[in-house]
Amino acid sequence: AQSVAQPEDQVNVAEGNPLTVKCTYSVSGNPYLFWYVQYPNRGLQFLLKYITGDNLVKGSYGFEAEFNKSQTSFHLKKPSALVSDSALYFCAALNTGFQKLVFGTGTRLLVSP
Amino acid sequence: DAGVIQSPRHEVTEMGQEVTLRCKPISGHDYLFWYRQTMMRGLELLIYFNNNVPIDDSGMPEDRFSAKMPNASFSTLKIQPSEPRDSAVYFCASSFGGSGYTFGSGTRLTVV
Repeated sequence: AQSVAQPEDQVNVAEGNPLTVKCTYSVSGNPYLFWYVQYPNRGLQFLLKYITGDNLVKGSYGFEAEFNKSQTSFHLKKPSALVSDSALYFCAALNTGFQKLVFGTGTRLLVSP
Repeated sequence: DAGVIQSPRHEVTEMGQEVTLRCKPISGHDYLFWYRQTMMRGLELLIYFNNNVPIDDSGMPEDRFSAKMPNASFSTLKIQPSEPRDSAVYFCASSFGGSGYTFGSGTRLTVV
């Protein structure tokens, strides 16, 4: 069965510092991988996706993610965190054969001033 | 494009009542998904449609839940009868060929 793991419930980082939110996946074949962000009382917003090609994917708001096939990981990164980045982040994987996006449990990012 | 539109944004109902949630997907998208989000269980896929046909409803929790998609521009999720444990945020999302989902703003359901 497909699954996505986000091992950290919460990540704390000071503004201006780099941040990493971890994600590993278990999906057969070559999955599509996504990161979404959710602000309070809002829906999920697309940040970035990996389908094929360069392992480093750049997305919205200065975020990027690194695909590592051998480690089955897709960690979200940002060189310099902002307080406004504080939100709930979801990693997701899509097995294109099933067209079903499977989400991780989410990681709350808290950026302190 | 107005994106995926869900209504109502908030719904408060009494236990035992019927609740209908509505979703208008993005025009041209051929997949539609219903998700439920709770603190305890996170994001759960309830059901999804391809070209208006239900493909996988294995996530629908009970027979009290039903979903329809009568045409390409409209879908409903119905709970009858509703129970307090159904309280959650329900999201609709649509996509074209699996290229990425666009989510609606969600319906916050409270059953008292």
